[in-house]
Amino acid sequence: NAGVTQTPKFQVLKTGQSMTLQCAQDMNHEYMSWYRQDPGMGLRLIHYSVGAGITDQGEVPNGYNVSRSTTEDFPLRLLSAAPSQTSVYFCASNPGTGVRNSPLHFGNGTRLTVT
Amino acid sequence: SQKIEQNSEALNIQEGKTATLTCNYTNYSPAYLQWYRQDPGRGPVFLLLIRENEKEKRKERLKVTFDTTLKQSLFHITASQPADSATYLCALDRGSTLGRLYFGRGTQLTVWP
Repeated sequence: NAGVTQTPKFQVLKTGQSMTLQCAQDMNHEYMSWYRQDPGMGLRLIHYSVGAGITDQGEVPNGYNVSRSTTEDFPLRLLSAAPSQTSVYFCASNPGTGVRNSPLHFGNGTRLTVT
Repeated sequence: SQKIEQNSEALNIQEGKTATLTCNYTNYSPAYLQWYRQDPGRGPVFLLLIRENEKEKRKERLKVTFDTTLKQSLFHITASQPADSATYLCALDRGSTLGRLYFGRGTQLTVWP
């Protein structure tokens, strides 16, 4: 039982490049989400999904796209990377359809640098 | 918008003492409040969840309180150990949106021998 797996662990992009951050969970969780963590800012919600085919925006969705075609996978796409997207990205899941009464399970993050 | 403040960026205490971390929030009244631990280079790990109708929750050496009048949660680690050194995050919902959990910036706790 691997939990939440994020790949890659590290990535360097040039401004304007695109890439997809992968997130997979093997716990059959309905809810999945993406956060970014910046020094002094804490974790900020980018996008989330309450089930396959359903996604919604969080606090800071601009510049990012998501889709949820399966329960297991929730990839985050950067269409045209900008230096402001340099951050550590965390994927998290939970077994319910909401986050209010059950904990999030986090992956170990992807550290992205955009030059 | 919801604002979450954790009392200080860093807290240093001696081994064996009780560490007390504070989480204050404004504007909305969350139904649930959660605490997480984060070690360097790792994702946050869930510790405790407390509901608005619960005054206190305990788990081993950990205790969380939730005061909806003061809009504050306190997180205590009793008999602290160097292994407790980490960053601790509080998180809460916005009351009406089931999909959104908001985090404070965290308090970095260092327990020295």
